[in-house]
Amino acid sequence: EPEVTQTPSHQVTQMGQEVILRCVPISNHLYFYWYRQILGQKVEFLVSFYNNEISEKSEIFDDQFSVERPDGSNFTLKIRSTKLEDSAMYFCASTLVRLTGYGYTFGSGTRLTVV
Amino acid sequence: KQEVTQIPAALSVPEGENLVLNCSFTDSAIYNLQWFRQDPGKGLTSLLLIQSSQREQTSGRLNASLDKSSGRSTLYIAASQPGDSATYLCAVKEGDRSGGGADGLTFGKGTHLIIQP
Repeated sequence: EPEVTQTPSHQVTQMGQEVILRCVPISNHLYFYWYRQILGQKVEFLVSFYNNEISEKSEIFDDQFSVERPDGSNFTLKIRSTKLEDSAMYFCASTLVRLTGYGYTFGSGTRLTVV
Repeated sequence: KQEVTQIPAALSVPEGENLVLNCSFTDSAIYNLQWFRQDPGKGLTSLLLIQSSQREQTSGRLNASLDKSSGRSTLYIAASQPGDSATYLCAVKEGDRSGGGADGLTFGKGTHLIIQP
């Protein structure tokens, strides 16, 4: 079964450093998403991406965050200057069709720890 | 702002029991509602999706219902098994002004379910 692959599975970084979280969505999917889950809290929507541009973003997704699809397979989330409160599990997801919601496939997540 | 609440936060039952997980949402203008399963160290697996015009969906031992007007959904698990142990998340996709759906899902905090062998 096709999978969404996220790397690394766990990343530890110093406060103020830049991090890039990587995702390989399912190859024929067209819509890509990042969500995060702070330990013990809800899964929260960050951003959606379609046709090489941001489709929608939440209020969490401020100027410190950016997304990119640098080639035909990778989808990245960059945090420019990490803060302690950025520590969370970050999930990538992709879907072929936006509105039905079917075909949402989530990756296993990257646990980001900011120290 | 949409808020999704799940009750109970945790549940432990013996194998074989039928059980019900509850989800409520504050804004009934949703596009659809999904139930996900989250296993430790793994991503989210979509279990059932109910469109706003539907009342229920079934998949195997799982049945999800939706009462949009009252802002409630339930996930019914029949004949529970130890392999059902996981966290179950409810998520809504909100409608937008054009009649389509917003991109992001709003999640509840989940129900942590343990099925005792």
